[in-house]
Amino acid sequence: DSGVTQTPKHLITATGQRVTLRCSPRSGDLSVYWYQQSLDQGLQFLIQYYNGEERAKGNILERFSAQQFPDLHSELNLSSLELGDSALYFCASSRGGGQSYNEQFFGPGTRLTVL
Amino acid sequence: ILNVEQSPQSLHVQEGDSTNFTCSFPSSNFYALHWYRWETAKSPEALFVMTLNGDEKKKGRISATLNTKEGYSYLYIKGSQPEDSATYLCAFPANRDDKIIFGKGTRLHILP
Repeated sequence: DSGVTQTPKHLITATGQRVTLRCSPRSGDLSVYWYQQSLDQGLQFLIQYYNGEERAKGNILERFSAQQFPDLHSELNLSSLELGDSALYFCASSRGGGQSYNEQFFGPGTRLTVL
Repeated sequence: ILNVEQSPQSLHVQEGDSTNFTCSFPSSNFYALHWYRWETAKSPEALFVMTLNGDEKKKGRISATLNTKEGYSYLYIKGSQPEDSATYLCAFPANRDDKIIFGKGTRLHILP
């Protein structure tokens, strides 16, 4: 158990809908990262927050947004969902803000299915 | 576009044998190289963060080496056990604080 929690575990929704995925980092970790893993794709970095501020941005679609709250939990909002958004979404956390030197601890993931 | 390549894609190894696989990354602007193990139905777990050329890190039967000048890292597993069956990912930060790029992994199967 990495200490990172994600809810829900599974989510099934329809195209055009909006969902929110939630992540709580390990105690003491200030950074939260979001990743998407689709079929046949590696882990794709979406976005990182450090202590409430956006730190780095990856291949995140405009329909997706995220935020980190004062208690350091984070939410990833996915809107106008398309079939291709079906994927496993991971959250990870690390102590510091720099991606280079900080190992990341991954949550169990949220499996999103868009029908 | 920065690329992180891992080879082979898949590997079958007899229990008790040793094995190794490769992660290749751009050798310019190196900051760090991460290795993760990802077991089926679980989430990725950090193995090593390597930062210095010539670095060698070890955790039990697993070790890794790093060559930043030629842009590769090897992961070695000595005396493979069934619990080593997993996908091994390497990850390369594109910049010091910017997005991190994961390779597609080497899927290791240990045969009893």
